[in-house]
Amino acid sequence: DTGVSQDPRHKITKRGQNVTFRCDPISEHNRLYWYRQTLGQGPEFLTYFQNEAQLEKSRLLSDRFSAERPKGSFSTLEIQRTEQGDSAMYLCASSLSVSGNTIYFGEGSWLTVV
Amino acid sequence: DQQVKQNSPSLSVQEGRISILNCDYTNSMFDYFLWYKKYPAEGPTFLISISSIKDKNEDGRFTVFLNKSAKHLSLHIVPSQPGDSAVYFCAASALGAEKLTFGTGTRLTIIP
Repeated sequence: DTGVSQDPRHKITKRGQNVTFRCDPISEHNRLYWYRQTLGQGPEFLTYFQNEAQLEKSRLLSDRFSAERPKGSFSTLEIQRTEQGDSAMYLCASSLSVSGNTIYFGEGSWLTVV
Repeated sequence: DQQVKQNSPSLSVQEGRISILNCDYTNSMFDYFLWYKKYPAEGPTFLISISSIKDKNEDGRFTVFLNKSAKHLSLHIVPSQPGDSAVYFCAASALGAEKLTFGTGTRLTIIP
């Protein structure tokens, strides 16, 4: 399967701990996105990369959040000093930089902060 | 500020009939619209899209209609099948912008 892959699929952590999620995009896709989804809401944009450059960050992405895409391939999203409000599904998506913004999502990483 | 609105949280439709899901938007800069389908504990799956230069796009059982003057789009599924039971999200993007803005979703249940 050559879809977007995310790891881990589920993470339970104690408040105050750091967590890191990894995303492997579709191999030929140069754009990579992180979204967050909470219950009853649609996905909310966090940030996106074109190759290794992080080109946009949402104001939802507080200082405790950092995303990287070191070689323009996989990406990591780290949340430091987790809070209960960080509990959500973190979705990674990728696309090709052609006209039309069809992005393809991975299966998501569920975070529960207890 | 909900720029993309799906006002029906849920919809139930008999198997074989037509399902119509609606979406309204407020941002006149949006020029590309998409529908995604989501099963529980999975990521959204792309279904169909439409550019603002069109008013209809069809792919198999799925058709999306866009009414720019009303800032409204709809997704028609015909005939509806049990596997169509899922949450459907409408999304939009503006020219030159990379992010998608999503609605809150409509849970579609197909009744056998």
